[in-house]
Amino acid sequence: NAGVTQTPKFQVLKTGQSMTLQCAQDMNHNSMYWYRQDPGMGLRLIYYSASEGTTDKGEVPNGYNVSRLNKREFSLRLESAAPSQTSVYFCASSEWFLAGATNTGELFFGEGSRLTVL
Amino acid sequence: AQKVTQAQTEISVVEKEDVTLDCVYETRDTTYYLFWYKQPPSGELVFLIRRNSFDEQNEISGRYSWNFQKSTSSFNFTITASQVVDSAVYFCALSEAVGNTPLVFGKGTRLSVIA
Repeated sequence: NAGVTQTPKFQVLKTGQSMTLQCAQDMNHNSMYWYRQDPGMGLRLIYYSASEGTTDKGEVPNGYNVSRLNKREFSLRLESAAPSQTSVYFCASSEWFLAGATNTGELFFGEGSRLTVL
Repeated sequence: AQKVTQAQTEISVVEKEDVTLDCVYETRDTTYYLFWYKQPPSGELVFLIRRNSFDEQNEISGRYSWNFQKSTSSFNFTITASQVVDSAVYFCALSEAVGNTPLVFGKGTRLSVIA
């Protein structure tokens, strides 16, 4: 049972290069998310997709683009990488949760992708 | 707007001590959900608990317990008889309303348990 799989796990880029982080989930969840984690800053939301066909900005969307390719896949693209984008990136998915439902609404996270921009 | 504050950046305790991690939240919604996640040194994020705003009962799971107090907008996490394996960064998070509001996380508390 893979859960949430993100690739690559490590990447080093030079300033100005582009790259795409891939994320796939096999739990048939409606919602997917991209967070970044920086020391002392916790997890900050970059973009999310509440359902297939929709995407919305989070707290720190500048410099990123996303694509919800289908229900399983949600990619994050850096068009022109900057040193400020050096971070650990986490993809997550969840099912919608409703009061009284047994679904806990928890986020299921991938293992993270460590990106360094020189 | 929703906000989660974890004022304790780092805590260090000796094994077998009890420790409480504080979480204070802000929200305008009357219905919301609170979460705790654990991030051990290996880096993965592990779900610990979800609490609904309409359920103020405290919860205990083994050595872990959670104290939810709406009057003070707090959702504190206590580890009883701490162990070295409890060493991790712990995140508190908040989601507003029913549906699919993304979780907002606090900055985390790094707990070090010393043998």
